[in-house]
Amino acid sequence: KNEVEQSPQNLTAQEGEFITINCSYSVGISALHWLQQHPGGGIVSLFMLSSGKKKHGRLIATINIQEKHSSLHITASHPRDSAVYICAVVSGNTDKLIFGTGTRLQVFP
Amino acid sequence: KAGVTQTPRYLIKTRGQQVTLSCSPISGHRSVSWYQQTPGQGLQFLFEYFSETQRNKGNFPGRFSGRQFSNSRSEMNVSTLELGDSALYLCASSLGPLNPQNYEQYFGPGTRLTVT
Repeated sequence: KNEVEQSPQNLTAQEGEFITINCSYSVGISALHWLQQHPGGGIVSLFMLSSGKKKHGRLIATINIQEKHSSLHITASHPRDSAVYICAVVSGNTDKLIFGTGTRLQVFP
Repeated sequence: KAGVTQTPRYLIKTRGQQVTLSCSPISGHRSVSWYQQTPGQGLQFLFEYFSETQRNKGNFPGRFSGRQFSNSRSEMNVSTLELGDSALYLCASSLGPLNPQNYEQYFGPGTRLTVT
């Protein structure tokens, strides 16, 4: 079983829909990162969380440390949001970054 | 401020050869991490360097090595290349180490290595 699990693996949405991507982890962590990867490979860091909730524009990320769970929400989705979204945790024991397998999102006009 | 740069962007090598990839971090960043991304294994952590010292290493064979210079630029080397080393190699820089300060990471565009 992977230490970081994401769901769903694939997600299709219509423009304007509210989207939620989930991340569960089984290790103790010091922080959790949400990353966005567009075709071509470039990765952009969206959020880094150690507790609570953060918001940037239409993106919201939450984390529940007790339940070892984080969610990434996209409000009013747009075709330019189409990308792979990756959850990664910094292991509290090893200091290494452990990645989820990613969620491929496609938003259609 | 210029972003993280990686050279070369694309590389084709044959089995048994060795390869060196370079990463120049954002000015002022002292930490560089390297990652391998393959379709089968996804993203995996290779190394983390901070102030010229390797802080951490992932579960990769000794053929994978790296170093960081005094100007924070980093190189990684893979010797005796195997077909399975074909991957996108990404580096990321940050002001400080991954833990405990948890600085944000800024990723480079990657080097796509193909081993034939």
